[in-house]
Amino acid sequence: AQSVTQLGSHVSVSEGALVLLRCNYSSSVPPYLFWYVQYPNQGLQLLLKYTSAATLVKGINGFEAEFKKSETSFHLTKPSAHMSDAAEYFCAVSGALDFGNEKLTFGTGTRLTIIP
Amino acid sequence: DAGITQSPRHKVTETGTPVTLRCHQTENHRYMYWYRQDPGHGLRLIHYSYGVKDTDKGEVSDGYSVSRSKTEDFLLTLESATSSQTSVYFCAIRERGNEQFFGPGTRLTVL
Repeated sequence: AQSVTQLGSHVSVSEGALVLLRCNYSSSVPPYLFWYVQYPNQGLQLLLKYTSAATLVKGINGFEAEFKKSETSFHLTKPSAHMSDAAEYFCAVSGALDFGNEKLTFGTGTRLTIIP
Repeated sequence: DAGITQSPRHKVTETGTPVTLRCHQTENHRYMYWYRQDPGHGLRLIHYSYGVKDTDKGEVSDGYSVSRSKTEDFLLTLESATSSQTSVYFCAIRERGNEQFFGPGTRLTVL
């Protein structure tokens, strides 16, 4: 079984400041981890994913995330926030094997606001 | 773009009426999913399908049924809509590595 906890349902940062969105997971098997972004009135778009290769994963729009097994974390970061980063972000987890791990479990989301 | 469309995109209906939402994909994906999104709950899985006529329940399946008679279409039916089913519904497909790609969503309001 898997679960995801996203700390902070709302995060505000100033334009140009560091973005840090937190995700902790629980998994009974080696995990695959994902970050999705949702802009207003749109569907979810995959930002990046960890699938047991490099622990530092780079995604689109300058975002990256680091898998830390010892901390069961997969926090999302961006060095310098842009106004266009304002959106809701979801962390998700599945088991690492393709077979028998066909479901994703999502966190409850973090709404990111950028302050001009 | 994973070639996923949803219809209708918006629907307002009354309590007690049946409602069917359609998800259509063009790339022959085996797995398809229906989620609902509600504030404070993230996305919750309703039902999913792993092939034609093969479906299984998710965590919030009560009050919903699904059908998949051909690979490209996955239908979600609310047999008798209730106000608690007012939500945004997303369809998704699964690719290798367990990543999922989502449709644009259907906003359903039950009055």
